[in-house]
Amino acid sequence: AQSVTQLGSHVSVSEGALVLLRCNYSSSVPPYLFWYVQYPNQGLQLLLKYTSAATLVKGINGFEAEFKKSETSFHLTKPSAHMSDAAEYFCAVSFRSYSSASKIIFGSGTRLSIRP
Amino acid sequence: GAGVSQSPRYKVAKRGQDVALRCDPISGHVSLFWYQQALGQGPEFLTYFQNEAQLDKSGLPSDRFFAERPEGSVSTLKIQRTQQEDSAVYLCASSSLGGGGLETQYFGPGTRLLVL
Repeated sequence: AQSVTQLGSHVSVSEGALVLLRCNYSSSVPPYLFWYVQYPNQGLQLLLKYTSAATLVKGINGFEAEFKKSETSFHLTKPSAHMSDAAEYFCAVSFRSYSSASKIIFGSGTRLSIRP
Repeated sequence: GAGVSQSPRYKVAKRGQDVALRCDPISGHVSLFWYQQALGQGPEFLTYFQNEAQLDKSGLPSDRFFAERPEGSVSTLKIQRTQQEDSAVYLCASSSLGGGGLETQYFGPGTRLLVL
């Protein structure tokens, strides 16, 4: 069975500081991993995804994540936080399927707040 | 181009009332997904269509939930005899390919359902 655990339901950082949002996954098959961002009253937007190519994945808005198989982790980072980064972030896992839906399993989310 | 749209954006229903939620996917997208997002939680998979075929409905919580996509484009999620526990945001997503796990799912803004 596949699952995703996001450590910390709320993270607060100062503007300009490093952002680190933690995600650990459980999967019995090679996973696809995603980070989505959700702004208030908006749909989910894909930040980045890992699909078994490079382990360091760069996404939009300066975010990146590193796939570490030994740690079953896929943490999201950004070197310098902006006020506009304040949102809810979801880590998610999927897996290759040739005969059925590639449904996504989401974590419970981490709310990121940015202090001026 | 236009993204995924959903209507209504907000719906208030009395317990026991039937509701219908509409999703207009991105034109030409083969796959369509419905997710349910409870307050403070990540989205949870409900059902999946490939064109007009409903290939996976394993996430539908009860037989009160019914989804259709008769012409392989617009989809409707119907909830009969609504209960308070049905209160959530219902998200629709579409993707251009038919499974495989790699394709990006594009999400709509969601319909926020409140059952009183």
